[in-house]
This record gives sequence, structure tokens and C-alpha cells, in this order.
Amino acid sequence: QQPVQSPQAVILREGEDAVINCSSSKALYSVHWYRQKHGEAPVFLMILLKGGEQKGHEKISASFNEKKQQSSLYLTASQLSYSGTYFCGTGKIETSGSRLTFGEGTQLTVNP
Amino acid sequence: EAGVAQSPRYKIIEKRQSVAFWCNPISGHATLYWYQQILGQGPKLLIQFQNNGVVDDSQLPKDRFSAERLKGVDSTLKIQPAKLEDSAVYLCASSLAFPYSYEQYFGPGTRLTVT
Repeated sequence: QQPVQSPQAVILREGEDAVINCSSSKALYSVHWYRQKHGEAPVFLMILLKGGEQKGHEKISASFNEKKQQSSLYLTASQLSYSGTYFCGTGKIETSGSRLTFGEGTQLTVNP
Repeated sequence: EAGVAQSPRYKIIEKRQSVAFWCNPISGHATLYWYQQILGQGPKLLIQFQNNGVVDDSQLPKDRFSAERLKGVDSTLKIQPAKLEDSAVYLCASSLAFPYSYEQYFGPGTRLTVT
């Protein structure tokens, strides 16, 4: 079952904040966030694991509500470089890898 | 560190023709994925390999799509015959072995147009 992302698109001015939501009708074990700039490959941002563990390497934060089966990505003080389409992927991390189902994406545009 | 390599970058074919895409993952990455990304949608997993074995191909249209990963390194995805609805970007990704398998590294993709 594909996770649902909202909003579909958001336009910001540099320095403004944004929240992107990802919800699932199935139990979530992990939520993976990727960003894809136009014409480029998706790039890993962050993973949130059941139990609260979080791994990431950018100044972007996220939350994971296991009860509500939701995750939210928080982009604060947005920069022009944040523009792109954000995808959440859900699935289990197994010894054979992570079999992810991605949402439709949220298109973020940051203007000067 | 070299990234995931894919070729060709662009391909235009007529329906009913065949096409093949090639992927070379990051050295040492055990797991390789092929995704189909239709314009305006998220990537959809087609097939997942661990080394040279198939882990999951449940979403691969096996009547026309095939994939192999010989020797557990390079991989080829083939479509034969192509349909109009196969027009998409085909992304290859790879990841390290567990427990570092959560991060997938994507290649630049092959944009396929079927006319």
C-alpha cells in the first residue's frame, strides 16, 4: 500500500518553514525520506525507525508517530537548495535490503 | 567514491521494439534495485537483487520485463516488447549489506520514451 503525502506542492520564500507529511494505512516499521531535484537521482535524507531511532545527515528534522502511522519532515529556515520533490518511502529493513514503497511526492519550491 | 552508473541516459524506441538498460552499482554494494518512475510519481520497485539472487520481483511484469545480475555486480534490465505505458525513467540503486542497508544510492536513470 502506497503511503500518502501531503501537501502535493508548496511554495516558500527563502527563510520560511515547511512541513511535509507522510501517512500509511499499514503499520510502519521505518520511514525513509529522499529528495529529488529536477532531472536528477533521488538522494537519501533521513530514516526514522520504529522505536524512535533516527539517522540523517542534513539539517532537516523529522518525526515518526507509530500510533498514527505518520511521519513528518520539517524544513526550517528554508534555503534555495531545498527546492525539489520530497518522497517518503515505507518498508522494513531486512538483511537483504530495504524494500520500499514510495509516496507520490511533495514538490517544494523555495524562491528568493 | 564513484556513484551508481547507468547507461544509456536516454532511449527512444517504437512500441513492440526491445530495449536494455545497464547498471553498475557502487563497489561492494550487495543489494541492487531497479525502479520505474513515471513522470510525476514516486519510484516503483521492479526488482531487488542481493548479490546475484533475486529477493523480490513481485512487481516486475514478467511477460515483458526481465532482469539479471550476473556475478553479483552489474545488472541489466530488458523490456521486450515495449508498450507505450513503459515510457518512464528507470532508476538503478544499490545499498550496503545489513545493517547499513537502509540508505539507497541512486544512479542518474535512463529516460525511456516509447512512441
